Amino acid sequence: DQQVKQNSPSLSVQEGRISILNCDYTNSMFDYFLWYKKYPAEGPTFLISISSIKDKNEDGRFTVFLNKSAKHLSLHIVPSQPGDSAVYFCAASVNSGGSNYKLTFGKGTLLTVNP
Amino acid sequence: DSGVTQTPKHLITATGQRVTLRCSPRSGDLSVYWYQQSLDQGLQFLIQYYNGEERAKGNILERFSAQQFPDLHSELNLSSLELGDSALYFCASSVASGATQYFGPGTRLTVL
Repeated sequence: DQQVKQNSPSLSVQEGRISILNCDYTNSMFDYFLWYKKYPAEGPTFLISISSIKDKNEDGRFTVFLNKSAKHLSLHIVPSQPGDSAVYFCAASVNSGGSNYKLTFGKGTLLTVNP
Repeated sequence: DSGVTQTPKHLITATGQRVTLRCSPRSGDLSVYWYQQSLDQGLQFLIQYYNGEERAKGNILERFSAQQFPDLHSELNLSSLELGDSALYFCASSVASGATQYFGPGTRLTVL
């Protein structure tokens, strides 16, 4: 049972345009969501996160939107740069406070930004 | 550089063998997590330790075990290795009060 789904295995955009990566989840207990970027032969790199009490979080070129009623989140990258080309993973956790809990990952979306 | 280190970077071994993967968390982080990334399954949570104690278990096989030492580094032990255990193994760490996990570069295990 895949609780976090990234339905687009790949996405190609032009440099300078917006990249929108989508993620859906089924577990209503998830209350913390994260996006990671991964280059080949490297570990996932944390990009941005959002708590379920918010519907938007912005950090520079990266903005994450959360729609709890639809159980959907998206990552917007504006403007997209060739260095953004990587696999992007959506992840979710149940963060009950105190210590941390496991991340459940989607299978990733390969973003290619063309010059 | 996330500050999480993992050794070795690559490991090639034979079926039936046992290996140990090592992880040093970021300075100040008390929680360590292990994940397995295989081609068909994506990133799967294996186990979490917090300040030396096991806190959560995921899809970890009985042939696998882990521990976290007093200096907070962690080891993942994989025994009776099978071809299907070939994967990337990632360690992540976090501070106690947040959910953001920072990942190491991973260990690529190849079982021949």
